[in-house]
Amino acid sequence: KAGVTQTPRYLIKTRGQQVTLSCSPISGHRSVSWYQQTPGQGLQFLFEYFSETQRNKGNFPGRFSGRQFSNSRSEMNVSTLELGDSALYLCASSPGGTGDNYGYTFGSGTRLTVV
Amino acid sequence: KQEVTQIPAALSVPEGENLVLNCSFTDSAIYNLQWFRQDPGKGLTSLLLIQSSQREQTSGRLNASLDKSSGRSTLYIAASQPGDSATYLCAVAVAAGNKLTFGGGTRVLVKP
Repeated sequence: KAGVTQTPRYLIKTRGQQVTLSCSPISGHRSVSWYQQTPGQGLQFLFEYFSETQRNKGNFPGRFSGRQFSNSRSEMNVSTLELGDSALYLCASSPGGTGDNYGYTFGSGTRLTVV
Repeated sequence: KQEVTQIPAALSVPEGENLVLNCSFTDSAIYNLQWFRQDPGKGLTSLLLIQSSQREQTSGRLNASLDKSSGRSTLYIAASQPGDSATYLCAVAVAAGNKLTFGGGTRVLVKP
C-alpha cells in the first residue's frame, strides 16, 4: 500500500514569488491536512480538506491557501513568499470519517527555502 | 486552547537503557493521542495511537500509556538502541477530523 506522497521534496524560491506544493494521500483516504514545521514554532496546523471542502483552518494569513481534488490529492499554495515561510511543509492523510477513531499518516515533507 | 508539552527537550542515554518520554496536555477532553518519530530532515513516522478510551498501547519494544484525568502520556522504549536516536513527538486530537496539536518534541540520542 503506497504511503503519502509529497512533491517536490525540495524547493528554493525568491521572496515575493508564489509556490505550489502537492500531496497525494493513501488510497481510500479522503482527508488531507497540512502542517508547517519550523525550528522556532514547531509543528503548526495550516488547514484540512475532506471531500474537496476545507473542514478546518489554522491561524495563518490568507497568503496560505489550499484545495483538494476529486481524487483526494491536495495542493497548497503560498503567495508573495516571505523569508519566514522557509520551513518543512508536511501533509497528513487520514480516512477522514467522523465515526472512526483513526490516526494520521504523514508524508516525507517538502523543504521550502525562501531567499 | 489545548497545549501540549514534552519534557525534557533532549535526552542522552547509553545503549541498552530504557527510555521514558513524557507528554502532558492541558485539556483532558481528547479524542486520541498519537506518538511519532522524526529523523532529521524527514517526515513523521507514526509509532502508536491511543484512543481516548484506552489506557495503553504496545508495539514491540514500545509501550505508551495514557492518563486522561491527569493529562499525561508516557512513551516507554525498552532496551534502547542507537537506531532509536531521533526526535519523538506526541500529538493530541480533540475530535474526529480535527487538527493535531503537537508537543515540541524530545530529541533522543542513544550512545553506543
